[in-house]
Order: sequence, then C-alpha cells, then structure tokens
Amino acid sequence: DIVLTQSPDSLAVSLGETATINCKSSQSLLYNSNNKNYLAWYQQKPGQPPKLLIYWASMRESGVPDRISGSGSGSDFTLTISSLQAEDVAVYYCYQYYTLRSFGQGTKVEIK
Amino acid sequence: QVQLVESGGQLVKPGGSLRLSCAASGFSLSGYYMNWIRQAPGKGLEWISYIGSSGIPIYYADSVKGRFTTSRDTAKNSLYLQMNNLRVEDTAVYYCAKEDDQFLDHWGQGILVTVSS
Repeated sequence: DIVLTQSPDSLAVSLGETATINCKSSQSLLYNSNNKNYLAWYQQKPGQPPKLLIYWASMRESGVPDRISGSGSGSDFTLTISSLQAEDVAVYYCYQYYTLRSFGQGTKVEIK
Repeated sequence: QVQLVESGGQLVKPGGSLRLSCAASGFSLSGYYMNWIRQAPGKGLEWISYIGSSGIPIYYADSVKGRFTTSRDTAKNSLYLQMNNLRVEDTAVYYCAKEDDQFLDHWGQGILVTVSS
C-alpha cells in the first residue's frame, strides 16, 4: 500500500505570506508511459466535503485561484499557497491514485 | 450539474449492519468510477472503496475488507455501501465521490454513521 506523509501537520502563516505543504509518497507516483504524477490536492473547510484543488500534481482545477499551485514529481510533492487569504484557512490533503487510493494525514493551515 | 446525496446513516450497535446509499444526478454512474471515503470525528480522510464504471473492479481498504460491500444500481443511478459487523471505530462521516480520469472531482455532503452501544 502507498503511504503519503504530509509535513508539517499544521502551520500558521500571516495574511499575505506563503504557505508551503509537503507530501512524500512511499513509492513513486510517476507513471512512465504517460509521464503523469498520480497525485491530487484537496482543501477541506469545517463542516464541508473536500474540494479538489490540484490534479496530476500541478494542474489547477477550474475556479481555483492561481495563487494556489502544485509541484513535484516522483515521490515528493508540494502545495504552495501564495499571498494567503483568510478564506484559505482549512485542512489540506494530498491524495494518490496511482495504486488503489490513499490520502495523506492532512495539514491544518491557520492565520498567524 | 453533478450532485451526490448520501443517505442511510444512523446510530447502530456494534456488530450491527447498515446500508448507505448515494443518489447521483447530472451524470451516469455507468460512465465513471465511484468511491466511498470516510472521516472519523476530528480525524483525516480515509479511502475505503471504489467500484469501476462497468461495475468492476471493486476494491476495499484493509480496514473494511470482508465486512463492507460496494454495489450500484444503474437503473436508479445509485451507489451503495453495505456495512456489516460494524465496530465502534467505523464511526465516521461517509462520503461518496465521483472520479474523473482517476482523481475525485465531485463529493457528496456526507452522512454520519455512529456505532455505539
């Protein structure tokens, strides 16, 4: 089974600053035949279902602001939230769909 | 537009059974993989099962294998999760979610299942 480990578990960032969340996979999520990384990122606010932000590691879902971006390849991935806004307070999860499915443990983002 | 609505959640005793439903609208189940994900109170997301667009394959997380069964009714455009031999640790909000090109693009609002004596 693929295990995703996010770091940090939580972080507090000042408004307008940058939040960076890391996700490390226990095995590569890069499928060589199509050169795609089978990783997505989700945002979950209290009392709501998760919302898709990023898929294929770096493709932004329609309607997601361009200050939210995903990067990385293979086993190491990053979600970057630039110019943090109050509306970005949430828990963020990485998710792999390379083999079966699994989530990281989540990273809570708060305002400092 | 795509809508997913879960139902069937309730309080059940340990060892009991429950069937969750997920009514889909705005798309046909027969064209997409569908997943069940759960979230224990105050905890993270746990993937538990998916079913292929043709009804196969069906896979489960080890935590529910042998106790939970995923199925669907294309005529009713509905997804189901039959949960048997429920344990206290199965207490969670259960979400159904649709896949698009293998990642989850739409989620239901979730339904609470409480397992307690």
